[in-house]
Amino acid sequence: DIQMTQSPSSVSASVGDRVTITCRASQGISSWLAWYQQKPGKAPKLLIYAASSLQSGVPSRFSGSGSGTDFTLTISSLQPEDFATYFCQQANSFPTFGGGTKVEIK
Amino acid sequence: QVQLQQSGPGLVKPSQTLSLTCAFSGDSVSSNSAAWNWIRQSPSRGLEWLGRTYYRSKWYNDYAVSVKSRITINPDTSKNQFSLHLNSVTPEDTAVYYCARGRIAAAWGAFDIWGQGTMVTVSS
Repeated sequence: DIQMTQSPSSVSASVGDRVTITCRASQGISSWLAWYQQKPGKAPKLLIYAASSLQSGVPSRFSGSGSGTDFTLTISSLQPEDFATYFCQQANSFPTFGGGTKVEIK
Repeated sequence: QVQLQQSGPGLVKPSQTLSLTCAFSGDSVSSNSAAWNWIRQSPSRGLEWLGRTYYRSKWYNDYAVSVKSRITINPDTSKNQFSLHLNSVTPEDTAVYYCARGRIAAAWGAFDIWGQGTMVTVSS
């Protein structure tokens, strides 16, 4: 299995802050990387696929970058509804997920 | 608008079989551009992909190594749904179970539509 390592595991931030989350794959996955947002009691919601493609309906303050083994999710200006947990997922082989990053209110 | 609706019991006894169904409209389980997946989430194991079924001129199944000996995912074309059967369950199988649509070509293997989740507890 390809292991996905996210960092940090949690981040405290304020509304308006720029937040960056990283995800590292244990081997190269080209651009087969997706990012999800999950709120308590809800299913994950797809934000980004193919490492940098914005899913329809997702605000443009979310962006993704990277290829190979290192990837980044950036929220350019954190909004109140963005406080949630974020996961990366690789689809280069059988899917695996990162451990999650909880974005908390500072 | 595709919506996935999960159904099935929330409590299963150890050694028995966990069975869940995912029904939907707005797409077809026989679609050539989608795969139909089961994923679970628990505090100890995080998000764990379990397996998928998909149709590409014939039916295929892929299963995670961790559950391969115990899992079956079946499509039901007459009802446009798919099911999960996980046998010989133990308390370690306690988790929230999700069904999800995977889009290989359109979304590079991402899961763009998810069911509402079913909390399944394995306990006597």
